[in-house]
Amino acid sequence: GQNIDQPTEMTATEGAIVQINCTYQTSGFNGLFWYQQHAGEAPTFLSYNVLDGLEEKGRFSSFLSRSKGYSYLLLKELQMKDSASYLCAVRPHSGNTPLVFGKGTRLSVIA
Amino acid sequence: DTAVSQTPKYLVTQMGNDKSIKCEQNLGHDTMYWYKQDSKKFLKIMFSYNNKELIINETVPNRFSPKSPDKAHLNLHINSLELGDSAVYFCASKDPLSGNTIYFGEGSWLTVV
Repeated sequence: GQNIDQPTEMTATEGAIVQINCTYQTSGFNGLFWYQQHAGEAPTFLSYNVLDGLEEKGRFSSFLSRSKGYSYLLLKELQMKDSASYLCAVRPHSGNTPLVFGKGTRLSVIA
Repeated sequence: DTAVSQTPKYLVTQMGNDKSIKCEQNLGHDTMYWYKQDSKKFLKIMFSYNNKELIINETVPNRFSPKSPDKAHLNLHINSLELGDSAVYFCASKDPLSGNTIYFGEGSWLTVV
């Protein structure tokens, strides 16, 4: 089976830094993705890691350790508009295999 | 222009009815998917299609019948709707040129009463 775990909820303060962790146990590994989903909207792509290390994209960074089955999404200089759910997803195999999603972490940014 | 578009966005219908959701992508992608997001926000794969051919059916009841007339379209028909079918249904397509990233449509909010 496929198992992806991430915290259900987190709260952080505007201007701060927050790290959302994701651990996975899947039948294979061909990439890890992070998506952002605002309430009532579709998930939108944030980042993709296939090799170990940190990928930085503006205020958002994503880290991967394949040996530990672990990733995190780092959000810096938090803004109120960052309040959303953040979904961790793994592609277990290459080709047309669909992404397997975690249940998402609902982040609330407070003033 | 919306890259992955689906209609309708909202649908309220009675138990036992049959309904369809349409999806179209103008990205030229070969692979399309239907995902279901339940009330707990868990996003789960239903079907995968590649070049109009079904490649994955994740043990979805056969009341759900996807149809792909061409690789740009993947429609979802649901027969004999049940209360438990109430969810958000997302169509998506896969871009092989950007790490196989999946791009989602806007979602179709289905409520069965």
